[in-house]
Amino acid sequence: GAGVSQTPSNKVTEKGKYVELRCDPISGHTALYWYRQSLGQGPEFLIYFQGTGAADDSGLPNDRFFAVRPEGSVSTLKIQRTERGDSAVYLCASSVAGNNSPLHFGNGTRLTVT
Amino acid sequence: QKEVEQDPGPLSVPEGAIVSLNCTYSNSAFQYFMWYRQYSRKGPELLMYTYSSGNKEDGRFTAQVDKSSKYISLFIRDSQPSDSATYLCAMSGRNSGNTPLVFGKGTRLSVIA
Repeated sequence: GAGVSQTPSNKVTEKGKYVELRCDPISGHTALYWYRQSLGQGPEFLIYFQGTGAADDSGLPNDRFFAVRPEGSVSTLKIQRTERGDSAVYLCASSVAGNNSPLHFGNGTRLTVT
Repeated sequence: QKEVEQDPGPLSVPEGAIVSLNCTYSNSAFQYFMWYRQYSRKGPELLMYTYSSGNKEDGRFTAQVDKSSKYISLFIRDSQPSDSATYLCAMSGRNSGNTPLVFGKGTRLSVIA
């Protein structure tokens, strides 16, 4: 079956621009996560959705970052006024809800801010 | 001190060797322990999932958790060149519902034919 799909796979943008990154989770998975992975580091948690609502957004670094999941399926991570330090791979994962079930990751969007 | 510590390597072994990968952690609330494998330019892929202390075996892979020492290990027997990847440990807490996974930095492994 289809896994987690993320688009675009690569995104190059200029400093100060706005970007949107999209995630299609595995069908039937109600939990959706965004992580950010910098070079040589493990993924770092950004935000977690249970259904349509953000259950935990404690990992968002500042108010330039925002994510939505309006219908409880597809999610969009939005970054305003991008900075060079935002360059990283943004990973999306989904899981069956509840009890710390394992995450299934997409291949990420590689964001480069020039 | 970071919550999860993992030696980034790189680790290079000959084909057929037994590989030992390890993580230590500081948060005693962690109850769920996972190992992910990540190939270059791909997302992490779940290898092993264990709850609390003990061992779990799946084919050539064995995961061990020692909560008293806050130490987890992944062993790979009869290593193959296709095992060359970055291995990430990850863990989460005991709260009801999902809690965010906390990852180690990852250990980069090369298995030489």
